[in-house]
Amino acid sequence: DTEVTQTPKHLVMGMTNKKSLKCEQHMGHRAMYWYKQKAKKPPELMFVYSYEKLSINESVPSRFSPECPNSSLLNLHLHALQPEDSALYLCASSRGQGAGEETQYFGPGTRLLVL
Amino acid sequence: AQSVTQLDSQVPVFEEAPVELRCNYSSSVSVYLFWYVQYPNQGLQLLLKYLSGSTLVKGINGFEAEFNKSQTSFHLRKPSVHISDTAEYFCAVSHSGGGADGLTFGKGTHLIIQP
Repeated sequence: DTEVTQTPKHLVMGMTNKKSLKCEQHMGHRAMYWYKQKAKKPPELMFVYSYEKLSINESVPSRFSPECPNSSLLNLHLHALQPEDSALYLCASSRGQGAGEETQYFGPGTRLLVL
Repeated sequence: AQSVTQLDSQVPVFEEAPVELRCNYSSSVSVYLFWYVQYPNQGLQLLLKYLSGSTLVKGINGFEAEFNKSQTSFHLRKPSVHISDTAEYFCAVSHSGGGADGLTFGKGTHLIIQP
């Protein structure tokens, strides 16, 4: 089973709302990632968790708050977002510590619209 | 820092014809190279990757790629395409220095298969 699941599939939120995106994998992977993909653009790395610790934060604004409560689950908490944050948010996981040679398995994404 | 250039934003090809999607990279350190495919409204799926060893890499769905260090290229090829190959193709790199790392993607190439 190489499945990464993400919920919800779609999310519409206002600029004052607080919402969370959820990502789950049951492959025993120890690294998990958040990417942001704007329309007709490539994915851009936001965060990397390695063994449930935040390893990489690509200077993401604090209105995005990641959380890794256990090795199978990754959340992205959203607060006071801007319309330009509308995008497809992709979660991925890989087997080890998140090193460069590891294959990343992607979920289908959550399509977020901020009004 | 590393970067990836995909020279063609869109490649139209007739069904059963061969195709080559071009990818060049630049990096001050050794890198690993990947090709991912993204079908409409889906996440990314790994086609193939180059870590070391043989420079000709075979992947899923009949795709292959050749690593050329002197030309810093990693072009993707398929000898005969099908309608189902219509998708966005991303070349990506990660660094090989150990520790956690995410993927840096090129801008993508939209492969359009014409009947």
